[in-house]
Parts: sequence; C-alpha cells; structure tokens
Amino acid sequence: EPEVTQTPSHQVTQMGQEVILRCVPISNHLYFYWYRQILGQKVEFLVSFYNNEISEKSEIFDDQFSVERPDGSNFTLKIRSTKLEDSAMYFCASSDGSGASWFGPGTRLTVT
Amino acid sequence: SQQGEEDPQALSIQEGENATMNCSYKTSINNLQWYRQNSGRGLVHLILIRSNEREKHSGRLRVTLDTSKKSSSLLITASRAADTASYFCASMIKAAGNKLTFGGGTRVLVKP
Repeated sequence: EPEVTQTPSHQVTQMGQEVILRCVPISNHLYFYWYRQILGQKVEFLVSFYNNEISEKSEIFDDQFSVERPDGSNFTLKIRSTKLEDSAMYFCASSDGSGASWFGPGTRLTVT
Repeated sequence: SQQGEEDPQALSIQEGENATMNCSYKTSINNLQWYRQNSGRGLVHLILIRSNEREKHSGRLRVTLDTSKKSSSLLITASRAADTASYFCASMIKAAGNKLTFGGGTRVLVKP
C-alpha cells in the first residue's frame, strides 16, 4: 500500500540552526501539507502546497519557514533559524483531492 | 471552543466494550475525518464522512454526523487492546481550502 515517508525520524538541532525536514508524498497525489504537533497539544496546520506553489499558510508559517518540491518526488520543510518553541512533531501529508489526507510517520524535531 | 473539540478527553474501557467519542465544530464543513494516533507515532486515517452523509461504517467503526448540531461521533465496537490510542477528529472547512483543523483528541485505553 502506498505511504507517505518522512526523514529523519528524529532531528536534534541547536537554536539558531537551519533544519530541513524531508517527505516523499504518495506518488499520484497533488496536494501536499505540513502540520505540526507540539507535545501534548493539537495537530496544527502549517502550510498547503499545490501546483508548485503555496496555496495556504497559517500564522505559524512565518518567514522562518519555507517549503519546496525540488524534484517532483520530495517535499521539504525548511526552518531557517530554529527556536526552542519549534520543538514539535512535524507531519507531512498528501492528498489526491478527494478529501482524505494521508500522513507520514512524522519527524520529531528537538531544538536545544 | 475551537473548531473540532472532542469529548471525553480520556476514556478507559474493558476489552469487548464499545467506545464512543464525540466531536463538535463551529463552522460549515466539507467533510469530517477521524484519525488514530498511537503514542508518539503518525496519524492514521480511519474514516471520512461528507457533509451530506449522516452515518458511515468501516469494519468496527461507525461514524455519525449531525450538521444541525455541528457534531460527529465515533463508535468503536467490540474494542480490543490494540485499539488503545488517541483519536482525533479533523474538519475540512468549506472556506479554508483543503486544510484540516484538528480537535484535541480523545485518549482511549482498552484494558485486556
């Protein structure tokens, strides 16, 4: 069964460093998303991406964040200068537009 | 309350019993989805119910949707220890593209 994959599973970084979280969405999906879940809190929408551009972003997705689909299969989330409060589980998701989203296993980001 | 609030926050039942959890939302939706999350892991899509549907079944899962009350319920019948997880409702709002807005989740513990 096709699945969304994410790497790495756990990333530890120092405050101020740049991180890139990687995702491989399901191959025939056209809509891509990043969500995050701070420990003990709700899953929050960050950004959606369609047709090679951002279609929507939340207030959380400020100038420190960017997304890219560099090669037609990968979908990346970059955080330019990490803060302590960026520590969270980051989930990539993809959809074929039918409504359901398929989530990856997540990357646990720890900023020290 | 925010879009997608769930109750109860936690539920403890014996194996074989049914588990029911509820979700409320505030604005008109395209669809409402339920996801399961095992501790520290990814989100698994369980079932999607569209705004023009009232009930949907998938295996031991039964979801209802009452758009007049802006609420949904998830029933897990004949629960198993493996059903122990957190369950989240997520609404897809008409005016908000394809992004999902998650509730706070219900932690379900099924005791063997």
